[in-house]
Amino acid sequence: DAKTTQPPSMDCAEGRAANLPCNHSTISGNEYVYWYRQIHSQGPQYIIHGLKNNETNEMASLIITEDRKSSTLILPHATLRDTAVYYCIVRVSSNFGNEKLTFGTGTRLTIIP
Amino acid sequence: DSGVTQTPKHLITATGQRVTLRCSPRSGDLSVYWYQQSLDQGLQFLIQYYNGEERAKGNILERFSAQQFPDLHSELNLSSLELGDSALYFCASSAPGQGFYGYTFGSGTRLTVV
Repeated sequence: DAKTTQPPSMDCAEGRAANLPCNHSTISGNEYVYWYRQIHSQGPQYIIHGLKNNETNEMASLIITEDRKSSTLILPHATLRDTAVYYCIVRVSSNFGNEKLTFGTGTRLTIIP
Repeated sequence: DSGVTQTPKHLITATGQRVTLRCSPRSGDLSVYWYQQSLDQGLQFLIQYYNGEERAKGNILERFSAQQFPDLHSELNLSSLELGDSALYFCASSAPGQGFYGYTFGSGTRLTVV
């Protein structure tokens, strides 16, 4: 799996958009970008994933650059409950659901009131 | 409730002892993954089972072992415990056909070795 680079920490004002960057310059053509978050000591929670097109769901948006070497997770209106560690993971995916996830150190996002 | 059940939630034991952590996956999920997270550390993959068979192994110590039973629940056995084994242990599960949508994690077992 390709390695990712994320800033160790970020702050964002409550109500503003939080933009979390991730570099994955060695990503292969068949590798997806996944985002998870972990709220203090809870189990990680899936947020969103994408291959090359931008994606949006009820939680967030994922913007992937055209060369796929970096991506940005956007939380459009951050709330205090979004304070968490956010993990960007790049991996080959299949529809079989039997491949492990490799977590890096992530970005600790703090939402400021 | 994520649908993945881990028991116990908390466990305190002495060095040298042996403990068993249990994980019940979401209904229909065939894969179970175990992760270890030490204080302020990232999640380290330990081992994966798929429909009762070991599928992948990560940085799992020889003192640790796991298995997945016919009813698909899994147990992680930790023996000869050391202070450094104190950590959160997470279980996750996934189903065939759901690989695109990620895995579901349990709420973890906090192990404290004293």
